[in-house]
Amino acid sequence: NAGVTQTPKFQVLKTGQSMTLQCAQDMNHNSMYWYRQDPGMGLRLIYYSASEGTTDKGEVPNGYNVSRLNKREFSLRLESAAPSQTSVYFCASSEALAGDFYEQYFGPGTRLTVT
Amino acid sequence: KNQVEQSPQSLIILEGKNCTLQCNYTVSPFSNLRWYKQDTGRGPVSLTIMTFSENTKSNGRYTATLDADTKQSSLHITASQLSDSASYICVVSAGAGGYQKVTFGTGTKLQVIP
Repeated sequence: NAGVTQTPKFQVLKTGQSMTLQCAQDMNHNSMYWYRQDPGMGLRLIYYSASEGTTDKGEVPNGYNVSRLNKREFSLRLESAAPSQTSVYFCASSEALAGDFYEQYFGPGTRLTVT
Repeated sequence: KNQVEQSPQSLIILEGKNCTLQCNYTVSPFSNLRWYKQDTGRGPVSLTIMTFSENTKSNGRYTATLDADTKQSSLHITASQLSDSASYICVVSAGAGGYQKVTFGTGTKLQVIP
């Protein structure tokens, strides 16, 4: 039982390049989330997916797109990376939407640097 | 605007000592408050979750308290161990039903030294 897995662990991009961060969970959870964590700031929600087939914007969605490929997988895409997107990205999942008292399980994170 | 403020920003304590971390929030309508532990280079892991009606919740050596009237929470760590070295994040949810807005604090970085 791996929980939430993310790939890659580290990535360096040049400004303007694109990439997709992958996330998968094996807990049969309905809801999945993408966060970014920057120094001196709390985690901020980028996008979330309440259930398979649905996605919604979070607090900081600009510059990102997501795909809920199936119940297990939720990917985050940067179409044209900018230095402001240098951050640590965390994927999380929960049985249902976080506010309904269901625990969120986080992946190990992807450390992205955009030069 | 929903805000979660934690203090202190960082803390160094000797192994075996106790410590208390603070969390103040301005979130409405309050739904629940969670404490997470985040080891360096890892994702956060849930320690406790408390709703409006709960004022104490324990998880081993970790005890969280909640005062919904003053909008304050604390996390008390008893008999600290080296493995307690981590960031501790307070997270508050607002709303009722459906997706609730979740606000993360910036965390308290705790270092336990021998």
